[in-house]
Amino acid sequence: DARVTQTPRHKVTEMGQEVTMRCQPILGHNTVFWYRQTMMQGLELLAYFRNRAPLDDSGMPKDRFSAEMPDATLATLKIQPSEPRDSAVYFCASGLVIRDTTYEQYFGPGTRLTVT
Amino acid sequence: AQSVAQPEDQVKVAEGNPLTVKCTYSVSGNPYLFWYVQYPNRGLQFLLKYITGDNLVKGSYGFEAEFNKSQTSFHLKKPSALVSDSALYFCAVRDTGFQKLVFGTGTRLLVSP
Repeated sequence: DARVTQTPRHKVTEMGQEVTMRCQPILGHNTVFWYRQTMMQGLELLAYFRNRAPLDDSGMPKDRFSAEMPDATLATLKIQPSEPRDSAVYFCASGLVIRDTTYEQYFGPGTRLTVT
Repeated sequence: AQSVAQPEDQVKVAEGNPLTVKCTYSVSGNPYLFWYVQYPNRGLQFLLKYITGDNLVKGSYGFEAEFNKSQTSFHLKKPSALVSDSALYFCAVRDTGFQKLVFGTGTRLLVSP
């Protein structure tokens, strides 16, 4: 049963610290998405990649957030420095793009980040 | 830009009764529509999708959705609700760039015993 995995599942850190979240997409999927979910803002798309290349990161605060795909099996989302307002659940999702069209996305279990 | 609207923040039904979670869409061109469910402390799970064809789409866990082009709606339905269906439901539409989905704000479904 193929699944998207994310680590860590929970992270508590102090303001100013660096946070790195990792995602392993489903094998064979060529598109990876990063989302943030909060009570106030709901589900926000931060960035997404196709074939490891960033396609759109307009939803991401550029000054502190960065997203990369070092290889096809790993996507990372980094926050440096972290702030209390970054507290949220961060989801990774992967999908398969066929002829420039993404169909359903498969979500990981999320990383719950708390910045104190 | 493509968008979906979920007009109800919350829907309450009694177990055994039919349920409907509403979604309307605004798209240019043919709509590709999706429903996802999120259980507490879990990621979103894909339920069903409409790409083309039959207006009634069947998905996981006994859910189905009816595509209505004239009303630009894609409501999620289930004939008999279960307490375990209580969750957050998201409607989504494929964006014009074809490579991402645009999600609605979510509707919380509460099924009482």
